[in-house]
Amino acid sequence: DAGITQSPRHKVTETGTPVTLRCHQTENHRYMYWYRQDPGHGLRLIHYSYGVKDTDKGEVSDGYSVSRSKTEDFLLTLESATSSQTSVYFCAIRDQTMNTEAFFGQGTRLTVV
Amino acid sequence: DAKTTQPPSMDCAEGRAANLPCNHSTISGNEYVYWYRQIHSQGPQYIIHGLKNNETNEMASLIITEDRKSSTLILPHATLRDTAVYYCILMGAGGTSYGKLTFGQGTILTVHP
Repeated sequence: DAGITQSPRHKVTETGTPVTLRCHQTENHRYMYWYRQDPGHGLRLIHYSYGVKDTDKGEVSDGYSVSRSKTEDFLLTLESATSSQTSVYFCAIRDQTMNTEAFFGQGTRLTVV
Repeated sequence: DAKTTQPPSMDCAEGRAANLPCNHSTISGNEYVYWYRQIHSQGPQYIIHGLKNNETNEMASLIITEDRKSSTLILPHATLRDTAVYYCILMGAGGTSYGKLTFGQGTILTVHP
């Protein structure tokens, strides 16, 4: 299995509080991604990174920010959590070589009450 | 991004081959066909990918039509553990794609005893 770890695995937080999810990799892969998955939906891309300090928005980026200060860590922050951000969050990594597969973490289940 | 169309659900008997179709009529010349699956809300798992030629690995076979407008994922001897949501995804090989994956609804494959 690819070396990718998400933390925490489960979190319950209150509306309006800041939350940071961490994705850590040991593969030295260039690309990292944050997705969210809601019941009955496929995964939707929130933000992605194509290098240290290089990030861009995905299709559902509103209310989220990210940071990547070193290759191995990609942080997803909810500045002020809302109930609509209750979801399962998946991190993925991918080597910079084209024609390769992405590896996904086990997910973080976030509940905003 | 080009879109894919998959049936929402399929059934298969244990031990039989499972053939999962995917239509991608607007695929571009440099786009690969990737297949992932997701079991019980775990992180998606890579299965196989291809560009033009048919591909086979230890998990599955991928058959791509000559015009590349459709493909079929074949699980040769389905087991109960193959019950999952299967996603067919197109990914460009160009640098600006950054390896982003756009998930559709996928096909829920149920393998019956």
